[in-house]
Amino acid sequence: GAVVSQHPSWVICKSGTSVKIECRSLDFQATTMFWYRQFPKQSLMLMATSNEGSKATYEQGVEKDKFLINHASLTLSTLTVTSAHPEDSSFYICSARDREPGELFFGEGSRLTVL
Amino acid sequence: GQNIDQPTEMTATEGAIVQINCTYQTSGFNGLFWYQQHAGEAPTFLSYNVLDGLEEKGRFSSFLSRSKGYSYLLLKELQMKDSASYLCAVMDSNYQLIWGAGTKLIIKP
Repeated sequence: GAVVSQHPSWVICKSGTSVKIECRSLDFQATTMFWYRQFPKQSLMLMATSNEGSKATYEQGVEKDKFLINHASLTLSTLTVTSAHPEDSSFYICSARDREPGELFFGEGSRLTVL
Repeated sequence: GQNIDQPTEMTATEGAIVQINCTYQTSGFNGLFWYQQHAGEAPTFLSYNVLDGLEEKGRFSSFLSRSKGYSYLLLKELQMKDSASYLCAVMDSNYQLIWGAGTKLIIKP
């Protein structure tokens, strides 16, 4: 099946710094990518829908100025957590579809720990 | 509102069969997905149902009844590695995925 790669897998940073997470579709073109956050023992929570060449659509309650999403090409979307704080520590997962509708392929996830 | 319900936790014995149920109420329906998620890892795709009936794939089967807003995931010949969370998700009329909270499956020897 299609492959989605996410990098980095683990990141530890100091409070106040910014962290960028990349999500790449390796063998297909993803016009739409999704970013999720998952706290321990909880289900996935959709943060935003990222469309190539346009602004991301954020879910209610997600600060777009804090979680910057860029979808510059059909194979790459990035999530930047700006001025990270300990409460931003979470598991961030991206996903993409190769067609509508279709199976959603997930990246490996990125575990962010903010000290 | 949109709602996906599935049991929080289930326990089963190695070698046995377990059925994980999922009921949903969504704005439109474009298919139902089951994903497996091991602790600390991203979800992996198990099945996709858009028509009523049973889809079998090896030890795993998934059933859908659109009229009842109901699905189940059936796991046969349980193995210890099947211990994981199983997420039910429905794609609504806007092609957005609505996620259940997941069912944590514990397999005992």
